[in-house]
Amino acid sequence: EDQVTQSPEALRLQEGESSSLNCSYTVSGLRGLFWYRQDPGKGPEFLFTLYSAGEEKEKERLKATLTKKESFLHITAPKPEDSATYLCAVQAGGQNFVFGPGTRLSVLP
Amino acid sequence: ETGVTQTPRHLVMGMTNKKSLKCEQHLGHNAMYWYKQSAKKPLELMFVYNFKEQTENNSVPSRFSPECPNSSHLFLHLHTLQPEDSALYLCASSQDRAGIWGGRARDTQYFGPGTRLTVL
Repeated sequence: EDQVTQSPEALRLQEGESSSLNCSYTVSGLRGLFWYRQDPGKGPEFLFTLYSAGEEKEKERLKATLTKKESFLHITAPKPEDSATYLCAVQAGGQNFVFGPGTRLSVLP
Repeated sequence: ETGVTQTPRHLVMGMTNKKSLKCEQHLGHNAMYWYKQSAKKPLELMFVYNFKEQTENNSVPSRFSPECPNSSHLFLHLHTLQPEDSALYLCASSQDRAGIWGGRARDTQYFGPGTRLTVL
């Protein structure tokens, strides 16, 4: 059975304090790994898709990386507006997305 | 309007009411999805439609009834709900149903803002 776990469950950072969020997965035949950002009471906002081990994607202060077992979302010098829940989802070949429980990030000024 | 829209944004209903949630996508996508998001639980896939045809019903109780009249619109009809059905209901769309056409970039799902449902 495909499974996705995310750690930590919650993370509090000071503004400017870089850190990483982890998404670990077990899936047979990864087709894609997706990162989303979700603000309270809103729908998830698409950030990145990663398709193969070694791939990296960047957007502003965010950088996503992928290995055969996990993905990291690195946040460099975060700002308070980066506070949100970050969701990871994996997709096996021809299958639906399986979402992780998310990491709730708080960036304090 | 751009992207994926959902109405209403908030809904409070009694257990004997009948209501409907509406989703519309303006992205020219062919696949649409309903998800349920409960507190402290991962998103749960409920239904999948591809080219107006339902391709998946993820063991959802019959008190939830989806309808997809065309590739741009998706409804979720609700009746005799239970308090445990209170949640954020999210609609999503993608270019194609996952894996059908081979182009992986077409699988990316884009979400609407959700409907916050409270069942009393």
